[in-house]
Amino acid sequence: KQEVTQIPAALSVPEGENLVLNCSFTDSAIYNLQWFRQDPGKGLTSLLLIQSSQREQTSGRLNASLDKSSGRSTLYIAASQPGDSATYLCAVRATGAGSYQLTFGKGTKLSVIP
Amino acid sequence: SQTIHQWPATLVQPVGSPLSLECTVEGTSNPNLYWYRQAAGRGLQLLFYSVGIGQISSEVPQNLSASRPQDRQFILSSKKLLLSDSGFYLCAWSMTADTQYFGPGTRLTVL
Repeated sequence: KQEVTQIPAALSVPEGENLVLNCSFTDSAIYNLQWFRQDPGKGLTSLLLIQSSQREQTSGRLNASLDKSSGRSTLYIAASQPGDSATYLCAVRATGAGSYQLTFGKGTKLSVIP
Repeated sequence: SQTIHQWPATLVQPVGSPLSLECTVEGTSNPNLYWYRQAAGRGLQLLFYSVGIGQISSEVPQNLSASRPQDRQFILSSKKLLLSDSGFYLCAWSMTADTQYFGPGTRLTVL
C-alpha cells in the first residue's frame, strides 16, 4: 500500500527566504507526482505535475524535483512571499491501467512572515 | 474554460439525518469525477470515482454512496449520518490520468 509522508508538518520562514518542502513515498512504481496548494477552507490548486519519466518541473518561483528510485520529491520555493502562506500537498498516482487514485500526504503548512 | 461547483459550501447536520452533496462541472464532456474527504489530522482520502454515467467505484467501505445521474453531475449521499462523517468533502475532475482539478469543497459538521 502506497504511503506518502511530508516533512516538516509546519514551517515558518521570513519573507524573502528560499525554502524546500519534502515528500517521500514508499512505492516507487508511480505514474506521476503532483504538488498542490490549499488555502484555509478552500479546495486544492494544482501547482506542478511531474511524470515518472521526468526529473523536475518549473513554474515561476516554484521548482519540483522527482527521484523515483529513492521515493522522494522536493518543492523548492524561491524568494518566498506572504502570499505563499498555505498548506502544500504532495500526491502520487500509481501505475497501471485504470489507476485513478491519488495518494496524498498530510501536507506541510507554510507560513511566510512579512 | 472549465469550472467545477460544489454545494452547499457548509452544512451542519444531526446524527442519523440524510445527506446529499452535489458537484457539477462545466465546460467539458465525459470527465472522470472524484469525491475526496479531508478529515482533521488526516490526508485526503479518495471515496469514490466515476469514469462515466452510472459507473461508480468505491475505494473504501463506508456509510456513504455516490451517484452520477448526468455526465457532469456527481452526488454524494448518505441515508444516516455518523459523527465520523464530519469533514471537508472535495469533488474533483480530470480528463486524463494527469492533473485533477478540485472544487471549493463542502464543510460538513455532524452533531
